[in-house]
Amino acid sequence: KAGVTQTPRYLIKTRGQQVTLSCSPISGHRSVSWYQQTPGQGLQFLFEYFSETQRNKGNFPGRFSGRQFSNSRSEMNVSTLELGDSALYLCASMDGVNLNTEAFFGQGTRLTVV
Amino acid sequence: KQEVTQIPAALSVPEGENLVLNCSFTDSAIYNLQWFRQDPGKGLTSLLLIQSSQREQTSGRLNASLDKSSGRSTLYIAASQPGDSATYLCAVPYSGAGSYQLTFGKGTKLSVIP
Repeated sequence: KAGVTQTPRYLIKTRGQQVTLSCSPISGHRSVSWYQQTPGQGLQFLFEYFSETQRNKGNFPGRFSGRQFSNSRSEMNVSTLELGDSALYLCASMDGVNLNTEAFFGQGTRLTVV
Repeated sequence: KQEVTQIPAALSVPEGENLVLNCSFTDSAIYNLQWFRQDPGKGLTSLLLIQSSQREQTSGRLNASLDKSSGRSTLYIAASQPGDSATYLCAVPYSGAGSYQLTFGKGTKLSVIP
């Protein structure tokens, strides 16, 4: 079956702009989580969506937001970009009902803010 | 708060050697532990999921063990190959209020020298 698809793979944006990233989970999975990966901080949890509802949110400013659609596809948005937002953004797909199952990740979106 | 530590941060071995990667976690009340592989600039590939009730899980040349009481997991790689060169990450889930998020270690960067 198809894996987790993230688009775009690469983005270059200017400080102050906003950006939208997309994640399509594995068919049948209803949970999508987002993570930010930087060399200094490693992987940090942003938020998790299940059936169009945000179930949990990490410790990030309000400039980071997300949503999930009825087909389970998710988008995350970062407004007023800062240089420190440059990172690899990864999404994870899970069943979401049975929490004791495997998480599958996409290839990530590399965001560079200049 | 769950904390995950991976030691060493980097490891270089000659091809053909067997090796062990370590992962420790502070809160032993876990559902499972998952090992991932990450190639440079890419997403995470799930290697093994080991349930809290299991002691070991095997996939090909990989064997993961879990000791919940001591808060430790190891990933054993047999007969290492240059293609095994990557960063290996372990993660444990936190599930609060029905949500789900993974806490990651910083990873072990493995280099297998031909």
